[in-house]
Amino acid sequence: EPEVTQTPSHQVTQMGQEVILRCVPISNHLYFYWYRQILGQKVEFLVSFYNNEISEKSEIFDDQFSVERPDGSNFTLKIRSTKLEDSAMYFCASSDSQGGSGEQFFGPGTRLTVL
Amino acid sequence: SQKIEQNSEALNIQEGKTATLTCNYTNYSPAYLQWYRQDPGRGPVFLLLIRENEKEKRKERLKVTFDTTLKQSLFHITASQPADSATYLCASRFGAGKSTFGDGTTLTVKP
Repeated sequence: EPEVTQTPSHQVTQMGQEVILRCVPISNHLYFYWYRQILGQKVEFLVSFYNNEISEKSEIFDDQFSVERPDGSNFTLKIRSTKLEDSAMYFCASSDSQGGSGEQFFGPGTRLTVL
Repeated sequence: SQKIEQNSEALNIQEGKTATLTCNYTNYSPAYLQWYRQDPGRGPVFLLLIRENEKEKRKERLKVTFDTTLKQSLFHITASQPADSATYLCASRFGAGKSTFGDGTTLTVKP
């Protein structure tokens, strides 16, 4: 069964460093998303991406964050200068193009630890 | 502001019984409600999606309802098993937009 994959599974970085989290969405999907979940809290929306541009972003997704679809398969989230409060699980999700009513499927996540 | 709430933080039931989880939303009318299962340290796993014009949807031992009058969705697991123990998340959506998640209900099924 097709699935969303994410790498790495765990990333440890020093405060102020840049990190890139990678995702491979399900191959025929056209809508892509990043969410995060701080330990013990709810899953929060960061950004959605369609047709090579951001379609919506939350207040969390400030100038330190960016997304890119560098080729036909990968979808990346970059954090330019990490802060301690960026420590969280980051989930990529994708959905298909059936009028936008397709289910959103999530990847297994990348645990980001900022020291 | 838009709010989505799952009424119980935790639910404990005996194996074989039906688990019923509740999701309420206020100040908006989502087009879809989605239910996910999340195990510790893992990503949400999609279970069921119900549209606003659907009253009920079933998949194996799972059933979800959507009551737009009460602004509520109920998620049922019949003949529950210890393997069903997990956190269940309700999430609302409009079209292809973002999902807005509730806090989740942690279900424990005791043998």
